[in-house]
Amino acid sequence: AQSVSQHNHHVILSEAASLELGCNYSYGGTVNLFWYVQYPGQHLQLLLKYFSGDPLVKGIKGFEAEFIKSKFSFNLRKPSVQWSDTAEYFCAVTSGTYKYIFGTGTRLKVLA
Amino acid sequence: DAGITQSPRYKITETGRQVTLMCHQTWSHSYMFWYRQDLGHGLRLIYYSAAADITDKGEVPDGYVVSRSKTENFPLTLESATRSQTSVYFCASSEPGLGNYGYTFGSGTRLTVV
Repeated sequence: AQSVSQHNHHVILSEAASLELGCNYSYGGTVNLFWYVQYPGQHLQLLLKYFSGDPLVKGIKGFEAEFIKSKFSFNLRKPSVQWSDTAEYFCAVTSGTYKYIFGTGTRLKVLA
Repeated sequence: DAGITQSPRYKITETGRQVTLMCHQTWSHSYMFWYRQDLGHGLRLIYYSAAADITDKGEVPDGYVVSRSKTENFPLTLESATRSQTSVYFCASSEPGLGNYGYTFGSGTRLTVV
């Protein structure tokens, strides 16, 4: 069965620090990959997505993610985090259907 | 305002009661989904629907019932609420024609079963 692993459950960073959140999936075929962000008390919002082409994907608010097929990974990065990036981040995978498989989420806290 | 509207935003109910969570979308998206969000589990799919009158089970369907008589509405019913169903419930929609499988989420319903 497909699964998505986010190994970092909680991350605490100071402002201006660099961020990398890991996401690994288990599926051997073609996948579509997503990162969603959930700010406190809000619904999930799409940060970025990968379907094909350039494996380095740029999203909103300065986030980017790199798809490494050989490692089954789709890690999220940001060079310099801000206090307003405090949120929970979810990686999701779909293999051509409309059902996402979500990771368990990573809670990021950025200290001002 | 166009979008996905979930109601109520907050609900407290007693064990054994039936409760229905509403989801309404204004885009006429074909696909609609119900997820529950629990600490340590992320989001888990309860039910989904590919079109009006077409529904299917997700990962955790037990204790829930859905219907989709109209494209825009996708209510989720807990037939006899249990404490384990205390959770935050998110509705989402998607449209195949957009070709990107992106979901749009509602604001969620926080349900507490006492």
